[in-house]
Amino acid sequence: SSELTQDPAVSVALGQTVRITCQGDSLRSYYASWYQQKPGQAPVLVIYGKNNRPSGIPDRFSGSSSGNTASLTITGAQAEDEADYYCNSRDSSGNRGVFGGGTKLTVL
Amino acid sequence: EVQLVQSGAEVKKPGESLKISCKGSGYSFTSYWIGWVRQMPGKGLEWMGIIYPGDSDTRYSPSFQGQVTISADKSISTAYLQWSSLKASDTAMYYCARLEGGYYYTFDYWGQGTLVTVSS
Repeated sequence: SSELTQDPAVSVALGQTVRITCQGDSLRSYYASWYQQKPGQAPVLVIYGKNNRPSGIPDRFSGSSSGNTASLTITGAQAEDEADYYCNSRDSSGNRGVFGGGTKLTVL
Repeated sequence: EVQLVQSGAEVKKPGESLKISCKGSGYSFTSYWIGWVRQMPGKGLEWMGIIYPGDSDTRYSPSFQGQVTISADKSISTAYLQWSSLKASDTAMYYCARLEGGYYYTFDYWGQGTLVTVSS
């Protein structure tokens, strides 16, 4: 079982805003990172730290955190955002990492 | 440009050994952790373990401790993931990724993945 919990599936209408959440005790102490994975492709980092986007990631992706919950928000979702999204952080030991179970995002 | 290039797909029989590789370039290989991530067919990402090539410090997820061995050869900027006796349940895609192991603890660059198939 994962120390980080995500909803298995979320849907959003084209152009609307969606929030994907990740819960876990370690998030009270450590930041989450978020990865996008499309079918047949390697994961891609989209958000890390408080709210940092790697070069090339559109600014419609943003991150936030409160208590034991980290969130990835897509403002104005596009068809190309349909993918699996995974959160990741340190585990409770602080010396290793853990992934959430992943959220499948469908853009309607 | 940071790149992680993994070795090619493997097809093995149960009980056989295997070592797959991940070659880093475009950055100081000894200054970043390298991690391995498993993705079983149709399933999510699993954090397996990491190695710091600078001093070979290695940390495993409890789920993978004793099941695999992670190593690195800093002279050729290559990390490895090794099995001594494969099982059918080891069938998966394996990714290596560079870990920013400090404040953010994030995998910022990923390899293309190595598909391992274990079947009799």
